[in-house]
Amino acid sequence: QLQLQESGPGLVEPSETLSLTCSVSGGSINSYNFYWGWIRQPPGKDLEWIGTISYSESTYYNPSLKSRVTISMDTSKNHFSLKLTSVTAADTAIYYCAKQTDHYQRCCYTTEWGQGTRVTVSS
Amino acid sequence: EIVLTQSPGTLSLSPGERVTLSCRASQSVSSNYIAWYQQKPGQAPRLLIYGGSSRATGIPDRFSGSGSGTDFTLTISRLEPEDFVVYFCHHFGSSRTFGGGTKVEIK
Repeated sequence: QLQLQESGPGLVEPSETLSLTCSVSGGSINSYNFYWGWIRQPPGKDLEWIGTISYSESTYYNPSLKSRVTISMDTSKNHFSLKLTSVTAADTAIYYCAKQTDHYQRCCYTTEWGQGTRVTVSS
Repeated sequence: EIVLTQSPGTLSLSPGERVTLSCRASQSVSSNYIAWYQQKPGQAPRLLIYGGSSRATGIPDRFSGSGSGTDFTLTISRLEPEDFVVYFCHHFGSSRTFGGGTKVEIK
């Protein structure tokens, strides 16, 4: 059974870079037609899609975050990563990594979620 | 960006009742790109419905999705105690956004 686990600092200082990794077990991240994404949930706010990387390493980013986001994958370690630069308090959220699937050639809905990791931006 | 509005924010119902949750899109979208998730307190969301009406693996048949254009619904035919949680709709077509969620609570 596929499992995803987020890891990374729980506290990041303003203007710094938030870096998270999602370790995947029970499946290979470069399997055909698999997509891997990041979604966050700020306290008391809606879920927000951050971005997605495909098995072929194509990336899709939320336009509102695109200038600050990089998602990459490391097939040797079977994990994928999120970097969000120049963070502010507005980036405080629970960050989920996710396995996603396309449907009718559009990316993507989420089929599996990590447990989530809480990240606070504060000095 | 397509905005998804879920209403009401909270529904108070009894076990065994039937409930229909609403998700309205700010412009017409294909139901192919609508998904629904359930989220229990302190847990990650769980996929219920994708493609507007297809149940995800392992989801009981009391959950069903429907709709077209700007109006989509998630119906729970008979509420079980574990169904009193939060439900989100999600559009993953031209934009990828989530609704604000509807909480189903016990009356």
